[in-house]
Amino acid sequence: SAVISQKPSRDICQRGTSLTIQCQVDSQVTMMFWYRQQPGQSLTLIATANQGSEATYESGFVIDKFPISRPNLTFSTLTVSNMSPEDSSIYLCSVGTAKNIQYFGAGTRLSVL
Amino acid sequence: DQQVKQNSPSLSVQEGRISILNCDYTNSMFDYFLWYKKYPAEGPTFLISISSIKDKNEDGRFTVFLNKSAKHLSLHIVPSQPGDSAVYFCAAVANFGNEKLTFGTGTRLTIIP
Repeated sequence: SAVISQKPSRDICQRGTSLTIQCQVDSQVTMMFWYRQQPGQSLTLIATANQGSEATYESGFVIDKFPISRPNLTFSTLTVSNMSPEDSSIYLCSVGTAKNIQYFGAGTRLSVL
Repeated sequence: DQQVKQNSPSLSVQEGRISILNCDYTNSMFDYFLWYKKYPAEGPTFLISISSIKDKNEDGRFTVFLNKSAKHLSLHIVPSQPGDSAVYFCAAVANFGNEKLTFGTGTRLTIIP
């Protein structure tokens, strides 16, 4: 399994600001994903971070709100832009393996005031 | 449209007894299923998985059963231990290899000493 470091682990932000979350993996991986877990809800896939090309977003998520970078095979960032209280969630990155198993970072707990 | 459902939001089991967590799905294209365990302030941890070509997979105290005709899977933990207290998510993948996980809403398992 991969070791995934995600930071920050938590943050409290003012509405209208943006936060960039970083995800670092200890080995090169092809597939990286970003999820959101709203309070009391399941994990919802935001997008697949593609190395060298634009991220692939799921229905209901747009690049202007959640821009993603993937400069290499070990690193990705997710930015939550122009935040509102509805963006208060846990944001998680994960990496995929050949066996269809994904391994997750510890998550970023975001509170927007 | 919740394609993966865990109808029991919580479950309490006596230590040493069997814990049975259930999961139902609606998408007949799902062909690979996974269970994750999540502690507070941590990311989900992969537990066990099963391919749709099998009806049972066992790993130590954890066994997953798949009933394709009923679109139902279950996770059995025996014997249950206090460290098993966590939130358990089932997840499913459609078309083996595309690695996009669809998660259930989770079941909070509490093991009573």
